[in-house]
Amino acid sequence: DAMVIQNPRYQVTQFGKPVTLSCSQTLNHNVMYWYQQKSSQAPKLLFHYYDKDFNNEADTPDNFQSRRPNTSFCFLDIRSPGLGDAAMYLCATSNPLQVRTEAFFGQGTRLTVV
Amino acid sequence: GDSVTQMEGPVTLSEEAFLTINCTYTATGYPSLFWYVQYPGEGLQLLLKATKADDKGSNKGFEATYRKETTSFHLEKGSVQVSDSAVYFCALLRDSNYQLIWGAGTKLIIKP
Repeated sequence: DAMVIQNPRYQVTQFGKPVTLSCSQTLNHNVMYWYQQKSSQAPKLLFHYYDKDFNNEADTPDNFQSRRPNTSFCFLDIRSPGLGDAAMYLCATSNPLQVRTEAFFGQGTRLTVV
Repeated sequence: GDSVTQMEGPVTLSEEAFLTINCTYTATGYPSLFWYVQYPGEGLQLLLKATKADDKGSNKGFEATYRKETTSFHLEKGSVQVSDSAVYFCALLRDSNYQLIWGAGTKLIIKP
């Protein structure tokens, strides 16, 4: 059973047109992460939530925003996608209260900007 | 700061060959260590993990031992298959802020 679900798997958007990617989890984990990954490079952390507390990485562009309306859902909003934002976007969850647990990843959303 | 260093790829092997992918880390404290695998077009899957020194993680014929003295967590498999072709990432979990620190990834290509 899928535990971290990302929708859609593939998203095509126009240059400058806002786009939203979604992530849901059935694990009831406190922490949800958004990563950007290009060309099988290491994932780059954009931001994460610990419950409702939002933590932005210092080098995440303002063009990227996130919302977490409840424990189960988290959204990534790209306000004005540029060609350089084409990438795989990965959502992950973890439960820090469980000592030394791993992060669980969704299947990813492949974003294409045309 | 904390970091993870992996051997560069691609690594190309014939089916049934022995595999080693080297991973070393720099960290304060005693982080947990992970190997994740990514098949083409897919997300990341946990392959194995080790949470303390001398622990051995194992899964699907892959093994890695947490070596504190050499700060290493090398991935091994005795006999690789074509289906093992993927990108492998070594990572550590920073306990202070529950964030993963990633190696650069190693692409593995197995030829029949």
